[in-house]
Amino acid sequence: EVQLVESGGGLVQPGGSLRLSCAASGFTFSNYYMSWVRQVPGKGLEWVANLNPDGSDKNYADSVKGRLTISRDNAKNSVYLQMNSLRAEDTAVYYCTRGGGHTWGQGTLVTVSS
Amino acid sequence: DVVMTQSPLSLPVTLGQPASISCRSGQSLVYSDGNTYLNWFQQRPGQSPRRLIYKVSNRDSGVPDRFSGSGSGTDFTLKISRVEAEDAGVYYCMQATHWPFTFGPGTRVDLK
Repeated sequence: EVQLVESGGGLVQPGGSLRLSCAASGFTFSNYYMSWVRQVPGKGLEWVANLNPDGSDKNYADSVKGRLTISRDNAKNSVYLQMNSLRAEDTAVYYCTRGGGHTWGQGTLVTVSS
Repeated sequence: DVVMTQSPLSLPVTLGQPASISCRSGQSLVYSDGNTYLNWFQQRPGQSPRRLIYKVSNRDSGVPDRFSGSGSGTDFTLKISRVEAEDAGVYYCMQATHWPFTFGPGTRVDLK
């Protein structure tokens, strides 16, 4: 069964940092683009970042460029989102997803507040 | 960024009746490889999104055949042939042709 499990969310102060992780199973991880998508509770979806299979090509939404960094470890079947200089507007549920949204994790909530 | 619009934003439906959601993009979604990367997602209350349709009209594995997608260029449609109770939720179209990928605002489908 294809599965994605996110972790690492929590409460962080403005300007702080957090690292999200997503563990993949049930498919050949190193063959697929991986992405992070976020959703403010009760609101719509925003595609945050994606990463090609070998990790050499990364794309970011303008709203997070320079502050969030996507990376992966194919040996560990995992993708990460390093979040720095966090702002209140980064508060959202963050989902890990495979390819063009084929599979989604359960999401992890990031709350940026003092 | 490519702006995606959906209509209606709210759709009350009757069990067993058909339903249709329209999605429009601000520019053509035909990619240089000839494919059109327009996907549809369903999000039930309290759940993660689930992809239903990819590349305009291809149903994902396990998606009931009452769901169908159609369209081309900038105009796309998701149809449910006969609505069932489990179809309640929010439906999003999303384009993956141009970066950044963008979603429509969502259409809330509620049972009457």
